[in-house]
Amino acid sequence: GEDVEQSLFLSVREGDSSVINCTYTDSSSTYLYWYKQEPGAGLQLLTYIFSNMDMKQDQRLTVLLNKKDKHLSLRIADTQTGDSAIYFCASTPNSGYALNFGKGTSLLVTP
Amino acid sequence: AAGVIQSPRHLIKEKRETATLKCYPIPRHDTVYWYQQGPGQDPQFLISFYEKMQSDKGSIPDRFSAQQFSDYHSELNMSSLELGDSALYFCASSPLGRPYEQYFGPGTRLTVT
Repeated sequence: GEDVEQSLFLSVREGDSSVINCTYTDSSSTYLYWYKQEPGAGLQLLTYIFSNMDMKQDQRLTVLLNKKDKHLSLRIADTQTGDSAIYFCASTPNSGYALNFGKGTSLLVTP
Repeated sequence: AAGVIQSPRHLIKEKRETATLKCYPIPRHDTVYWYQQGPGQDPQFLISFYEKMQSDKGSIPDRFSAQQFSDYHSELNMSSLELGDSALYFCASSPLGRPYEQYFGPGTRLTVT
């Protein structure tokens, strides 16, 4: 949506790290998310972070949240060809849990 | 692990017809959300239910209605279908006590001709 912005495309080589960035406008966003969507498939919840945290790590994934700048990033270490997909950043408002998605970043991992 | 089940997976309808999409949440999940994803677009929130009551409403057209049943499954009813309703419709569910975790189903691809 308009309130969450992401770059549209990222290309990396296999084995490198990928960093996908997202900015959001609603400073009262409570939770911020990263979802992965492969072609023709549903959305897979990768990770989420509560707004009072600034970092979360889960295996190859690291999420950084800069609440002052309203900036969220997802770092994928040792990127593999299977990581090629569209990655959506999403936020929830201060009340309720309806997800507001960005347009998605298409990640292409080349051998 | 059990996932969200959506049926049918594909549906083709003509303009002005009606359609019913079904969603079966993960066991012990009490909240259901519906989203619409147009071609090349991000998912847009339509409506959600918690314990069989509507909990939030987004950009759902008046031609659409939804409900959640006593077994927690949900149905999205769409009437007077328009070409612009062609999209992927996702259902997501959240576990009891963790409404901020949404797990998506595989989606129903609706094509209106």
